[in-house]
Amino acid sequence: DTGVSQNPRHKITKRGQNVTFRCDPISEHNRLYWYRQTLGQGPEFLTYFQNEAQLEKSRLLSDRFSAERPKGSFSTLEIQRTEQGDSAMYLCASSYIPGTGGYEQYFGPGTRLTVT
Amino acid sequence: SQQGEEDPQALSIQEGENATMNCSYKTSINNLQWYRQNSGRGLVHLILIRSNEREKHSGRLRVTLDTSKKSSSLLITASRAADTASYFCATDEKVASGTYKYIFGTGTRLKVLA
Repeated sequence: DTGVSQNPRHKITKRGQNVTFRCDPISEHNRLYWYRQTLGQGPEFLTYFQNEAQLEKSRLLSDRFSAERPKGSFSTLEIQRTEQGDSAMYLCASSYIPGTGGYEQYFGPGTRLTVT
Repeated sequence: SQQGEEDPQALSIQEGENATMNCSYKTSINNLQWYRQNSGRGLVHLILIRSNEREKHSGRLRVTLDTSKKSSSLLITASRAADTASYFCATDEKVASGTYKYIFGTGTRLKVLA
């Protein structure tokens, strides 16, 4: 257990529905990342926050995806009008910048999304 | 886009043997990290090496970095069945805000046979 939690752990939804995932990072961490991982691939960067500011968003992220981190604490990732291609593991990670030890990211267990 | 590419894609060794996996990347970096992902579990950070470092050790792990060749290697000595996992390198990439994001490679799937 890295201290980063994600909910729900699994989500099955029908195509066209909206889904929202939550990530609770390690409390003193100021940076929070979202990744997507499909079978046999490495994590693919989606977006990240420093405190409450969203600093970067992948061009792969369509307008159907939105992420928030109110008050610089937990974060939510929403996918609107889900498509079958959205089926993947969604990973959240947090880190403390600059912090001792540099830029290690601590990953949560992920939310597995299945779109039927 | 994938910044890092691991090689080999899959590796199978006997317990007690050493395992070496390589990572190549495309652009200049500030640091490179290696992560492990066990089946059904999350990613765990193993080691970070900065661009001005050439070698780093942590327990049975040894990482090297050659910035001139844009490559890194991870050596696991005296492997154990518990080392069976996928291993990913991650490199930082500067973004428009002036900060950095991390790009992960495709991973090496290591299987250690007892």
